[in-house]
Amino acid sequence: DAKTTQPNSMESNEEEPVHLPCNHSTISGTDYIHWYRQLPSQGPEYVIHGLTSNVNNRMASLAIAEDRKSSTLILHRATLRDAAVYYCILRAPSGSARQLTFGSGTQLTVLP
Amino acid sequence: EAGVAQSPRYKIIEKRQSVAFWCNPISGHATLYWYQQILGQGPKLLIQFQNNGVVDDSQLPKDRFSAERLKGVDSTLKIQPAKLEDSAVYLCASSLHPGPNTGELFFGEGSRLTVL
Repeated sequence: DAKTTQPNSMESNEEEPVHLPCNHSTISGTDYIHWYRQLPSQGPEYVIHGLTSNVNNRMASLAIAEDRKSSTLILHRATLRDAAVYYCILRAPSGSARQLTFGSGTQLTVLP
Repeated sequence: EAGVAQSPRYKIIEKRQSVAFWCNPISGHATLYWYQQILGQGPKLLIQFQNNGVVDDSQLPKDRFSAERLKGVDSTLKIQPAKLEDSAVYLCASSLHPGPNTGELFFGEGSRLTVL
C-alpha cells in the first residue's frame, strides 16, 4: 500500500487559514487521496477526498499537486473546534479498507 | 440521520477474561468495519464486512478475536481471552459503498477497553 508522510504536529491561530501538508510520492495513478480528522474522544470524521483536481466542500479545500506526489488540506478559517488529529490516506480502486489503516496523522493545535 | 451506535462505551476486565462489543451501523450501509486504536496511534483495520460476508480479516488476530455480522446489519466483536495489549478503543464504522470514490466511512464513538 502506498505510504503517506505528514508532520507530527502543527499550530495555528484562530480565524487564520491552516495548510496541512501530506507527501505521497509512491501514489499510483488511480489512488484517491482522502482526509479524515479525529477530535478528542471521538471516532474519525470524513473531511474531503480527491483524485487529480482540487476539491472544495463546506469543511475544507484539498489542493493536489500536479504530479500528485503531495497534497494540502486547507482550512480557510481555523476555529477552536478544528483542533484534532488530521489523517491523509490513499485509497486504491479496489476499495479495500486496509488502505484506511491510518498513520499517526498531524495533531493540529488552534490557539485562541 | 442516526449515526453508528456502539456499546458499551467503556469496559474494564481482567486479563484472560472475555469481552464483546456491539455495533449498529447507519441504516442501509452495506459495508461495516471494525478498527482497533491503541493510545497515540491511528486506527488499524481489524475486519471488513460487505453485508454479512467477510471481505478482509487479514489483520484480525484470529486466535483470540472473532467478529460476526448476522443478517447483514448489527455486528459483534469478541475478544477471548483478553491480553494486556488489547487495551485500546474499538471503533466501528460503516459506509454505503466500499469504493474509494463514494465510500465515505462513518465512525461510531468507540468502545474503550482496559485490560488489567
